[in-house]
Amino acid sequence: AQSVTQPDIHITVSEGASLELRCNYSYGATPYLFWYVQSPGQGLQLLLKYFSGDTLVQGIKGFEAEFKRSQSSFNLRKPSVHWSDAAEYFCAVVGNEKLTFGTGTRLTIIP
Amino acid sequence: SQTIHQWPATLVQPVGSPLSLECTVEGTSNPNLYWYRQAAGRGLQLLFYSVGIGQISSEVPQNLSASRPQDRQFILSSKKLLLSDSGFYLCAWSVVATRGGELFFGEGSRLTVL
Repeated sequence: AQSVTQPDIHITVSEGASLELRCNYSYGATPYLFWYVQSPGQGLQLLLKYFSGDTLVQGIKGFEAEFKRSQSSFNLRKPSVHWSDAAEYFCAVVGNEKLTFGTGTRLTIIP
Repeated sequence: SQTIHQWPATLVQPVGSPLSLECTVEGTSNPNLYWYRQAAGRGLQLLFYSVGIGQISSEVPQNLSASRPQDRQFILSSKKLLLSDSGFYLCAWSVVATRGGELFFGEGSRLTVL
């Protein structure tokens, strides 16, 4: 069965600083990977996804993620965060028609 | 375009009372439907998924049940709520038979059991 680990429960960064959120996955076949963002009290919105091809994936809101098979990782990055990026971020892997989520990383932005 | 509606948005119920959360999808046919629960600090846990009318798969044993009486309607129920049922419940849909298909989420229903 697939699994996802997000080792950082909570990250705080200054506005304008760079960001990297970590995600490690476990899946026997080629993974399909996703990053979702959740604003407080809201549903989840897809940021980006990786199926195949270029291992650097561009998403919405200036986010990107890099798939590294050798490290079983799919880390999310943004070069300069904005206060509106404060939210919870979930990494997910799909297998057998079901999406398995990590436990999430809560991002706080300080002025 | 496709939309997903979930209600009620907020619910406060006493222990032992019944529960019914509804979810409907518009603008697509034969979607995969999902119920997730999000408890504080525990990420998203898949509770049920359905690939068609009357077809329900349960991921974890629990006090809840799900039904799909129509193609685009998914209902989460309980006969008697427990304190541990409190949480944020999210309905989602995806395109059938698309392994890499993304999930589209509703806005969620916050359930507090007192």
